[in-house]
Amino acid sequence: DTAVSQTPKYLVTQMGNDKSIKCEQNLGHDTMYWYKQDSKKFLKIMFSYNNKELIINETVPNRFSPKSPDKAHLNLHINSLELGDSAVYFCASSQVEGASYGYTFGSGTRLTVV
Amino acid sequence: RKEVEQDPGPFNVPEGATVAFNCTYSNSASQSFFWYRQDCRKEPKLLMSVYSSGNEDGRFTAQLNRASQYISLLIRDSKLSDSATYLCVVRVGARQLTFGSGTQLTVLP
Repeated sequence: DTAVSQTPKYLVTQMGNDKSIKCEQNLGHDTMYWYKQDSKKFLKIMFSYNNKELIINETVPNRFSPKSPDKAHLNLHINSLELGDSAVYFCASSQVEGASYGYTFGSGTRLTVV
Repeated sequence: RKEVEQDPGPFNVPEGATVAFNCTYSNSASQSFFWYRQDCRKEPKLLMSVYSSGNEDGRFTAQLNRASQYISLLIRDSKLSDSATYLCVVRVGARQLTFGSGTQLTVLP
């Protein structure tokens, strides 16, 4: 069974479109995250949710909106896509926020905006 | 200054070689430390946590020097399957993990 699953795996879309990426974890973890990995391979935190509440919102454009219907799901909606949004987006989860636990990552969504 | 800095490499080493990666972090309040491995076009995966006393997992040894804010990873007897990007990762208190940009390793036959 996949621990953290993201869909879709690949997403190619035109500038100006709105798209969503879905993430689900079956590990019973309390906290979920969205990270963006750009062309230089740098992983940067975007959002973190703990028990359905947003606890970190890094300085990302407000075109990006996370939504968490329950603690097993964290979706990412992106409005008015721009060329610079092209990247790989990783969802992750962890056992306890603040504890010395690593994260389990999903396999990533490769977004290409054309 | 980046919060976590690594030499991007690439490191190209022959099979059987010993290779070491270094990492420095800027926030002295950092409390948790990890090495992650990321294969090409795959997700990062936890390789090992790093403890103050140093720790070993098979061919992999991690060291932490809090005074110098320095973390290292040593790989002995390199295998072809060790080829990947190695990410140095730190956490400050209850905050999220902060990743370095990674060091690329290629083990050559």
